[in-house]
Amino acid sequence: DIQMTQSPSSLSASVGDRVTITCRASQSISGYLNWFQQKPGKAPKLLIYAASSLQRGVPSRFSGSGSGTDFTLTIGSLQPEDFATYYCQQSYSSPFTFGPGTKVDIK
Amino acid sequence: EVQLVESGGGLVQPGGSLRLSCAASGFTFNKYWLNWVRQAPGKGLEWVANIKSDGSEIYYVDSVRGRFTVSRDNAKNSLFLQMNSLRAEDTAVYYCVTGGYFDYWGQGTLVTVSS
Repeated sequence: DIQMTQSPSSLSASVGDRVTITCRASQSISGYLNWFQQKPGKAPKLLIYAASSLQRGVPSRFSGSGSGTDFTLTIGSLQPEDFATYYCQQSYSSPFTFGPGTKVDIK
Repeated sequence: EVQLVESGGGLVQPGGSLRLSCAASGFTFNKYWLNWVRQAPGKGLEWVANIKSDGSEIYYVDSVRGRFTVSRDNAKNSLFLQMNSLRAEDTAVYYCVTGGYFDYWGQGTLVTVSS
């Protein structure tokens, strides 16, 4: 199985900050990487698919990059509604494993 | 508008069974792979299983293989998860999710396995 790791596990940031979250796969997954945002009590929401494609309706301050084993989610200017937990997931091969999550909270 | 509505969750004793359903609307159901993803209380996300658009291919995570069965009824736009031999560690919110990009999620249904 492909293992996914994320760093950091949590971070504190202020509105307007640029935030970067890193995701690493235990083997190459090409560009088969998705990013999700989850708020407490809610279902996850797809932000980025195929490593760098912005899901329809998602603000352009969110961007993704990377290929192979190393990926990044960037929030260009953090907004109040962005405080949440973020997960990466590989969709390269079954089982489609998720990273452990990165919690972004208010500094 | 895509809608996925899960049902069938509840409290069940260890060793018991439960059948989850997911009613879908707003997209061409019979053209999409579908997934079940679960989240234990306070924990991260775990992919459980998926099924091809025509039901001809099904995959499971190792921890549920042999105990859980995924099926679908394309005539009724419905997805199912039959869960047998349930264990405490199966306690989670179970989500129905579309496709290879996991782009649409239901609201989830809570399964609690406890005596």
